[in-house]
Amino acid sequence: NAGVMQNPRHLVRRRGQEARLRCSPMKGHSHVYWYRQLPEEGLKFMVYLQKENIIDESGMPKERFSAEFPKEGPSILRIQQVVRGDSAAYFCASSPTVETQYFGPGTRLLVL
Amino acid sequence: AQKITQTQPGMFVQEKEAVTLDCTYDTSDPSYGLFWYKQPSSGEMIFLIYQGSYDQQNATEGRYSLNFQKARKSANLVISASQLGDSAMYFCAPGGGGNTPLVFGKGTRLSVIA
Repeated sequence: NAGVMQNPRHLVRRRGQEARLRCSPMKGHSHVYWYRQLPEEGLKFMVYLQKENIIDESGMPKERFSAEFPKEGPSILRIQQVVRGDSAAYFCASSPTVETQYFGPGTRLLVL
Repeated sequence: AQKITQTQPGMFVQEKEAVTLDCTYDTSDPSYGLFWYKQPSSGEMIFLIYQGSYDQQNATEGRYSLNFQKARKSANLVISASQLGDSAMYFCAPGGGGNTPLVFGKGTRLSVIA
């Protein structure tokens, strides 16, 4: 049973470009969470999704950020018009119906 | 809202010794879980151990155990027989019931010395 998959592992963008981060949950997991980690800090919750539904987006910035988890395919975290402050590690986690969340390896986004 | 405090930004421990990493939390949820994750220098987040707030016994998982004191709202991680590979950041995170998001502390950086 493969773990949570994230790609790309590293992403470099120039200011103003778009970043698309993908997350494939573990098999059988229907809950997906996105977290952001700034250097030397803990992870901060961004958004919680189930298939085709956003359950909790209280941690998402109001502008430029969006997330989806379609019926087929991976969950996507999309950042439009990236700025240097968006540089961070973005982690995806998935869980089944129990509480433990299993994390992917993360995507390191660097905005130049 | 939940709040996490990990008071030790950095800890050193001699190889083969035991070490305790502190975590206190503040939550209004009647039922919740406490999670500990390890983040080595490679960056991935590795789940270590879970304690439910209504569990009667402290959780154990191999060399990891939790010293859970519900009344004091603390859930300290104990690592026995430390190994060099235990050197990493350790994060404590409470979660409410029912797939709610985790709230992470700032972490403790553990360094195991040979």
